[in-house]
Amino acid sequence: DGGITQSPKYLFRKEGQNVTLSCEQNLNHDAMYWYRQDPGQGLRLIYYSQIVNDFQKGDIAEGYSVSREKKESFPLTVTSAQKNPTAFYLCASRDTDTEAFFGQGTRLTVV
Amino acid sequence: AQSVTQLDSHVSVSEGTPVLLRCNYSSSYSPSLFWYVQHPNKGLQLLLKYTSAATLVKGINGFEAEFKKSETSFHLTKPSAHMSDAAEYFCVVENTGFQKLVFGTGTRLLVSP
Repeated sequence: DGGITQSPKYLFRKEGQNVTLSCEQNLNHDAMYWYRQDPGQGLRLIYYSQIVNDFQKGDIAEGYSVSREKKESFPLTVTSAQKNPTAFYLCASRDTDTEAFFGQGTRLTVV
Repeated sequence: AQSVTQLDSHVSVSEGTPVLLRCNYSSSYSPSLFWYVQHPNKGLQLLLKYTSAATLVKGINGFEAEFKKSETSFHLTKPSAHMSDAAEYFCVVENTGFQKLVFGTGTRLLVSP
């Protein structure tokens, strides 16, 4: 089955820790995206990548980092600089002029 | 810059009655518009999309939306609500060719028996 896989489904982070969220797609899509979802705020774009080895900051990139070393993978690292990381994180991928396909999300909680 | 406004944060309907979820957009270019649905703690699923073909777009599960350029609106409708329609719905705009999707804040649809 083609699709996007996010792992883990739930993640807990201690204060001062970096954590990495995984996103893998087997749809052969060029573009991949990371969104953050908070109640009442919709989805806000963190980073996106339109091609391997290239990525751009979205609207709320501070405290996050990404890499795009392979077409199928776009991991997101939440660094200790992100002061309010508790949220639901969604990864998506798409081809030009098609809709975006979403993973099932990772819920990150600071403990 | 493009933006999208979902006019209602919550909409409550009874099962079997019509659904109307309102969305207005702002875009400097010819936009593509989408409606997505999200069930609790899940990813988003595409309901329908408008990409400058027919202005009335039919989607999955009986939903449809009409693109009205003069009103800059893209409202989502369904003639008869089902309990399984209870979810959060997002209106999304993209300037054609720019690959960046902008989401509305969402409308939570509540369906009562």
